[in-house]
Amino acid sequence: DTGVSQDPRHKITKRGQNVTFRCDPISEHNRLYWYRQTLGQGPEFLTYFQNEAQLEKSRLLSDRFSAERPKGSFSTLEIQRTEQGDSAMYLCASSLAGTVGEKLFFGSGTQLSVL
Amino acid sequence: TQLLEQSPQFLSIQEGENLTVYCNSSSVFSSLQWYRQEPGEGPVLLVTVVTGGEVKKLKRLTFQFGDARKDSSLHITAAQPGDTGLYLCAGKDGSSNTGKLIFGQGTTLQVKP
Repeated sequence: DTGVSQDPRHKITKRGQNVTFRCDPISEHNRLYWYRQTLGQGPEFLTYFQNEAQLEKSRLLSDRFSAERPKGSFSTLEIQRTEQGDSAMYLCASSLAGTVGEKLFFGSGTQLSVL
Repeated sequence: TQLLEQSPQFLSIQEGENLTVYCNSSSVFSSLQWYRQEPGEGPVLLVTVVTGGEVKKLKRLTFQFGDARKDSSLHITAAQPGDTGLYLCAGKDGSSNTGKLIFGQGTTLQVKP
């Protein structure tokens, strides 16, 4: 299966620790998105890349959050000095720019619990 | 800020019943998508509607895009336990040329056998 892959699936950490998540998009997709979803809510946009360029960041993304996509393939999302409010599902999605009705394909997410 | 409001937020019905989920906004969207999400998994795309007034059918699911492209509905006929899940509508901003989506808060559907 060549869908969007996220690692790890689950992460439990203590408040104040740093965590990093990885996303491997569908290989031919040039756009990659990060979303955050809390229980019972819809996903909220965090940031997106086209190739290796980070083109948009949400105001939700505090300076403790940083995302990279160094070679335009996989991406990492790092959260520094985690807080309990960071507990959520972090979803990655990829798409092919310029396609009609550009479709986002989501990974299974990384569930973060900050104790 | 564009917002999508879904209603109801939670629905519990018996197998065989029909239901409708609504997705409303005061903003115009260039397209609207419906996703279904199961616990611990990412959303899976069901359908994309693009044209105002468009109706699409996917087996027992019927999707409609409002004439003004501000609202949408999902109707399920003869619901089955396998339909249980979180249904999300998501709109694409017409002024943006990205795939960035704005999601509603979701409707949790529980279908009891």
